Amino acid sequence: GAVVSQHPSWVICKSGTSVKIECRSLDFQATTMFWYRQFPKQSLMLMATSNEGSKATYEQGVEKDKFLINHASLTLSTLTVTSAHPEDSSFYICSAREPPANEKLFFGSGTQLSVL
Amino acid sequence: DAKTTQPPSMDCAEGRAANLPCNHSTISGNEYVYWYRQIHSQGPQYIIHGLKNNETNEMASLIITEDRKSSTLILPHATLRDTAVYYCIVRVAGSSYGKLTFGQGTILTVHP
Repeated sequence: GAVVSQHPSWVICKSGTSVKIECRSLDFQATTMFWYRQFPKQSLMLMATSNEGSKATYEQGVEKDKFLINHASLTLSTLTVTSAHPEDSSFYICSAREPPANEKLFFGSGTQLSVL
Repeated sequence: DAKTTQPPSMDCAEGRAANLPCNHSTISGNEYVYWYRQIHSQGPQYIIHGLKNNETNEMASLIITEDRKSSTLILPHATLRDTAVYYCIVRVAGSSYGKLTFGQGTILTVHP
């Protein structure tokens, strides 16, 4: 199946700093990618839909100014957590739809963010 | 997307078949049933999906009832590596704006 690569796998940062997470579709072009967040022992929660060449669509309750999404090419979407705080510590996961039928979603391996 | 209901946890002996049920009584005619699983600290993995007919691939089988209000994912010979959280999701396939909404899933524990 299609491969979605996510980097880094884990990151530790100080409170107040910004962290960028990359999501790449390795063998296909993804016009749309999705960003999820998962807290311990909870299910995945959709944060936003990233659209190539246009603004991301955020789910209700997700701060767009805090979680900056850029989808500048058909194979790369980035999520930047700005001014991170300990409550932003979570497992962040991206996904992309398999073309051309868009019937399956493939997920990255996730990024564990720990904010000290 | 229609809501699904799954048991919170199940156990299965290694080598035996694991049958994971899912209720989706409000499913619409154009919604597919998808199954994903998530092994600890990894991203979800696609398993299988179907609309009406039963489906089988190298990983599992999907049995959908005739009224489509429930389905069962079957792992024919469970191994310890199949221990994971299994999510049953219904959505419109091929939708330009489709997105997956995850429920709590079923924690499947395969024991020796």
